[in-house]
Amino acid sequence: QVQLQESGPGLVKPSETLSLTCTVSGGSISNYYWNWIRQPPGKGLEWIGSIYYSGSTNSNPSLRSRVTISVDTSKNRFSLKLNSVTAADTAVYYCARGAIPGATGLYNWFDPWGQGTLVTVSS
Amino acid sequence: DIQMTQSPSSLSASVGDRVTITCRASQSISSYLNWYQQKPGKAPKVVIHVASTLQSGVPSRFSGSGSGTDFTLTISSLQPEDFATYYCQQSFSTPFTFGQGTKLQIK
Repeated sequence: QVQLQESGPGLVKPSETLSLTCTVSGGSISNYYWNWIRQPPGKGLEWIGSIYYSGSTNSNPSLRSRVTISVDTSKNRFSLKLNSVTAADTAVYYCARGAIPGATGLYNWFDPWGQGTLVTVSS
Repeated sequence: DIQMTQSPSSLSASVGDRVTITCRASQSISSYLNWYQQKPGKAPKVVIHVASTLQSGVPSRFSGSGSGTDFTLTISSLQPEDFATYYCQQSFSTPFTFGQGTKLQIK
């Protein structure tokens, strides 16, 4: 059964870059879309962006200018970089797989999810 | 962006009750609507996908319906483990968007 695990610093200073990695175990990263989703404390869910195993990406226009998502198929993992962070970027960051394999990320749902990692932006 | 609006935002109910949560999309999303359950400190997990398909392993007391812009999630007989926050999410177009959540609490 596929499992996802987020890793990265839990504290990032304002104006710096948030960097997270999601490692996929129990299955291949190939043929699926992989997503980043975040949730500020006590608030709702926001989709950040996705990457296909081939490397094609899509991201939320609200964050697009600051987001980079990449994939490393040799290590079965994908990564998120969010630059110029502010306190508003403090959130639990989740990685999640698009449940259905294929060449479109649409008409899909997120399953499974990683456990999430809290990233706090503070000096 | 497609806006997703859930109602109510919170709901108090008792074990054994039948409850319905509504989700409305700002434009038609066909049947590309998913429902997630989130418990405190945990990641969301999908309970219904493509409007009405029960995720494998989810109890049959959960059901979903709707198409176009209006959708519902129904729990036919609440169990103690069902008290959680529920989110709808559209996968019709990017950016994928979620409703604001419905917190289901014990009365």
